This record gives sequence, C-alpha cells and structure tokens, in this order.
Amino acid sequence: AQTVTQSQPEMSVQEAETVTLSCTYDTSENNYYLFWYKQPPSRQMILVIRQEAYKQQNATENRFSVNFQKAAKSFSLKISDSQLGDTAMYFCAFMKRSQGAQKLVFGQGTRLTINP
Amino acid sequence: GAGVSQTPSNKVTEKGKYVELRCDPISGHTALYWYRQSLGQGPEFLIYFQGTGAADDSGLPNDRFFAVRPEGSVSTLKIQRTERGDSAVYLCASSLSGTGGNTQYFGPGTRLTVL
Repeated sequence: AQTVTQSQPEMSVQEAETVTLSCTYDTSENNYYLFWYKQPPSRQMILVIRQEAYKQQNATENRFSVNFQKAAKSFSLKISDSQLGDTAMYFCAFMKRSQGAQKLVFGQGTRLTINP
Repeated sequence: GAGVSQTPSNKVTEKGKYVELRCDPISGHTALYWYRQSLGQGPEFLIYFQGTGAADDSGLPNDRFFAVRPEGSVSTLKIQRTERGDSAVYLCASSLSGTGGNTQYFGPGTRLTVL
C-alpha cells in the first residue's frame, strides 16, 4: 500500500515571499504520478501541478514548481512570489500508473497562510 | 464547460436515518470517484466507477455504504443507518479514462452532519 506524508501541518509567509511545502511518499511501484492539489475554504480541490515519475524534469506551472527526488521519494512544492489568493490547504497525492482509472492517495495536508 | 456538481451542499440528519448524496460528473468523463474527508484530514478513497460498474469499492468502510451509477453518468452515494462518525465532507471527482494518470476534477463536496 502507498502512503503519503506531509510533515508540516501549518505554514505562514509574507506576501511575495517564496515558500516550499514538503511531501514524502512510500511505494514499491516504479511508475506512478504525483499531484499537488489546493483546497481553499470553498472546499473544492483544485489541481496545482502534476508530475509523472518516469520524467526526470521537474514540472512547473507559472509560479508553482516541484522538486521531485525519486530515489528519496520526495515531492516538494515551491510557490514563488506568493499571493494572498494562495492561502489554502495544500494536499500532496499519489496515483499508481496503470491502464484505466486509479484512485488518489492523499497526505494529511498543509495549511498555508499568506500574510499581507 | 460545467464542472463536477454535487447536491446537496450541506445535509444534516439524525442518527439512524438514511441519506443520499448526488454527484453529476463532467460530461464525457467515464471514471467517477467518491472520497470522504474528515475534519483536518486529507480525502480518503471510497469507491470508483468505470462507466456503470464499480471498478474498485475497497474503500467503503462497511455495508451501510453503497453507491450506484446506473447510466454511467450521475452517481448516488447512499448511507444507511447513519452514525455520528459518518459526519464528514463527501467529495466526488471525475476523470477521462483509458489511460492512467488522468487528472481528477473535484466537485465542491457535500458536508454531512449526523446529529
């Protein structure tokens, strides 16, 4: 079974600063996907970024980038030039690579607050 | 286009009652998932459908929980004899299928409170 661990329950930074959220996972699979989702108070989970484990290049989406270390089973999220709208819960998630649909396994989340 | 919708957004019921939670996925998505999110926790998988059939129901906690997707679109999660421990946000997601790793798009959830 796969497990996902987010060791930072809460983080707080000033607007425009850079912040890094950590995530580690445990799996015996060699091919898989990793995700970061954002959940604002509205409850709706929104995909932030997606990484395919067989790709060595780290994924980036505008101000969001990841540091994927496959050997260490680590998948951290870096938010650059943080904005007030980035305030939310952030969840790291794992999915096996397989033909067809697969479930997500989530970490416990990190509550991120961006202060003005 | 329209995203995943869930109704009701909030549901308050009494212990022992029966409830139904509805999910309307994105049009054309063949895979549909249900997750449960307890306060302060990450979502936990309950069940997923590929078309009309339940492809994996390993996350359902017990036989009081049941879900259907009779026409391969809308899904209903049914909980019998509700208990206070069932109180949580129930999230639905949908994705394209056929290849692995498809992004799951989530609805806003239904907050269930069992008194």
